[in-house]
Amino acid sequence: DAGVIQSPRHEVTEMGQEVTLRCKPISGHNSLFWYRQTMMRGLELLIYFNNNVPIDDSGMPEDRFSAKMPNASFSTLKIQPSEPRDSAVYFCASSLIGAGQRAFFGQGTRLTVV
Amino acid sequence: DQQVKQNSPSLSVQEGRISILNCDYTNSMFDYFLWYKKYPAEGPTFLISISSIKDKNEDGRFTVFLNKSAKHLSLHIVPSQPGDSAVYFCAASEMGGYQKVTFGIGTKLQVIP
Repeated sequence: DAGVIQSPRHEVTEMGQEVTLRCKPISGHNSLFWYRQTMMRGLELLIYFNNNVPIDDSGMPEDRFSAKMPNASFSTLKIQPSEPRDSAVYFCASSLIGAGQRAFFGQGTRLTVV
Repeated sequence: DQQVKQNSPSLSVQEGRISILNCDYTNSMFDYFLWYKKYPAEGPTFLISISSIKDKNEDGRFTVFLNKSAKHLSLHIVPSQPGDSAVYFCAASEMGGYQKVTFGIGTKLQVIP
């Protein structure tokens, strides 16, 4: 079975550019989460969706970050404009509603903003 | 402000010995605790969990202990194996907030053959 699929795996971009990270959740899962991992702060929940609807975006650091889930099989996290401090590994995870504690994670996208 | 704290960034243990990873939390509303394991270039995977109504949960070589009064939990791995070398994240969620999980910064475990 395919797990959570993220693309790209690596992204290097220049400061000020727009970055779009993509995620395909596990088929049948109706909750989707975006996390960011940094050395200083560990894994932080940025936003999560239930049934394609954003439920809690309190972890989104700034207005430069936005996330969408147009359908049950696709989500994007966009950073515009990007800054060097956005460099991190971004993970997407999915689960059934109510089971977010045991979500299944993708392999992550390593973002480097230079 | 870190609500879930893992104060040891790394730990080295000999194969066959016990590994003990520690975690402290500050939020009294947390009532469900988890450990995730992460290998390089992979996403975290769920390892073991414990509810606040218990003080111990065991799954094979892995045991999680919870001390609510001290707001402390620990993960014991016995015996440790080289394949256990990974980053371990402690995590917690609040009563009713089962979708929102707060993670620590992780502890890198190295099991030496």
